[in-house]
Amino acid sequence: GDSVTQTEGQVTVSESKSLIINCTYSATSIGYPNLFWYVRYPGEGLQLLLKVITAGQKGSSRGFEATYNKEATSFHLQKASVQESDSAVYYCALRGGGSNYKLTFGKGTLLTVTP
Amino acid sequence: GGIITQTPKFLIGQEGQKLTLKCQQNFNHDTMYWYRQDSGKGLRLIYYSITENDLQKGDLSEGYDASREKKSSFSLTVTSAQKNEMAVFLCASSISWGPGQLYFGEGSKLTVL
Repeated sequence: GDSVTQTEGQVTVSESKSLIINCTYSATSIGYPNLFWYVRYPGEGLQLLLKVITAGQKGSSRGFEATYNKEATSFHLQKASVQESDSAVYYCALRGGGSNYKLTFGKGTLLTVTP
Repeated sequence: GGIITQTPKFLIGQEGQKLTLKCQQNFNHDTMYWYRQDSGKGLRLIYYSITENDLQKGDLSEGYDASREKKSSFSLTVTSAQKNEMAVFLCASSISWGPGQLYFGEGSKLTVL
């Protein structure tokens, strides 16, 4: 089946520093998968941060960017300068091609931004 | 906009007990999902329903039943709660086709004594 592997556990970054959370995937269904980053801020529900449905394209939201690299099967999340308000749990996810309704998630990465 | 409402928010049960979680959505989405979230294991799909009266097993369906009573509601039953089990169950919905995002509820936290 499909699988997603992302930076595990907790990542701590100082405010205004850059961030990268790694995500690689394996998709067994027909066609190219759609790729997503979801985020759960403290006290809130899980919500979409950004998505990219076409290989080679970049998605961006709230200063975060991720590029769909089908050769490397990667979808790393980056931000040039983090803020304390970015502290949250981030999940990489894929939705297989074809008639696949399932969204497969990574294990999540807890980002803590320190002042 | 719409909203997904999960009830109850907190559920405490006894070992062996049958426990039911409910989910309502007003997005008018066709597809609904139940995920289980465990610390360090991410989200794992339990059941999903493509349309009313449809049920599809996910990766973690053993020990669970689901019911899609109508388009707007999707229930999940833990058939026999396991002692010391603790998890968060997330309900979600999406349009039926394409790269549509999933919209999630805030979760129901289960504790089994």
